[in-house]
Amino acid sequence: EVQLVESGGGLVRPGGSLRLSCAASGFTFSSYWMSWVRQPPGKGLEWVANINEDGSGEAYVGSVKGRFTISRDNVEKSLFLQMNSLRVEDTAVYYCARTTTMTTPFDYWGQGTLVTVSS
Amino acid sequence: DIVMTQSPDSLAVSLGERATINCKSSQSVLYNSNNKNSLAWYQQKPGQPPKLLIYWASTRESGVPDRFSGSGSGTDFTLTISSLQAEDVAVYYCQQYYRSPTWTFGQGTKVEIK
Repeated sequence: EVQLVESGGGLVRPGGSLRLSCAASGFTFSSYWMSWVRQPPGKGLEWVANINEDGSGEAYVGSVKGRFTISRDNVEKSLFLQMNSLRVEDTAVYYCARTTTMTTPFDYWGQGTLVTVSS
Repeated sequence: DIVMTQSPDSLAVSLGERATINCKSSQSVLYNSNNKNSLAWYQQKPGQPPKLLIYWASTRESGVPDRFSGSGSGTDFTLTISSLQAEDVAVYYCQQYYRSPTWTFGQGTKVEIK
């Protein structure tokens, strides 16, 4: 069974940092692109970042470029999101999600982890 | 970026009746290499992550009931629930995966029981 389990969310002050993790199981992690998608409370979905199978390629939505870094460890079957210079508007549930390639949809999602940026 | 616009923002449908959600993209998402539209539909129930329902605009994901169907091409797409059931109450999102590696979602459509 495919499982994606996020962790690392919490309350952080504006300007602070947080590192999210996503533990994968039930599939060959190194064969899939992985992404982070976020959802502010009561609002819609926004794709944040993705990384290709071997970690050699990354992409980000404009609002997080230069502040967030996506990475992966294929040995540990884990996905990460390092978030620096956090802003109030980064408050959201962050989901990790799987895609087969860069031209396929998200077929599995984790349950999400809540990040709250507030003073 | 490709902008995805859904309509309506919400709708209330009687049990057993048809529900129709529209999604319009700011440019064509027809993928020339396979002549398929890079458009997916997701269902999100309260407190849960999104669930993939439809991909390539009209292909139903395994296990999705056949009352859910997708149609459309180019820039205009539709998700239809042919006979609304109580368990279909949710927010539905369209998503384009044409302009990779950056993907965008519609704003969501909330479906309720009338």
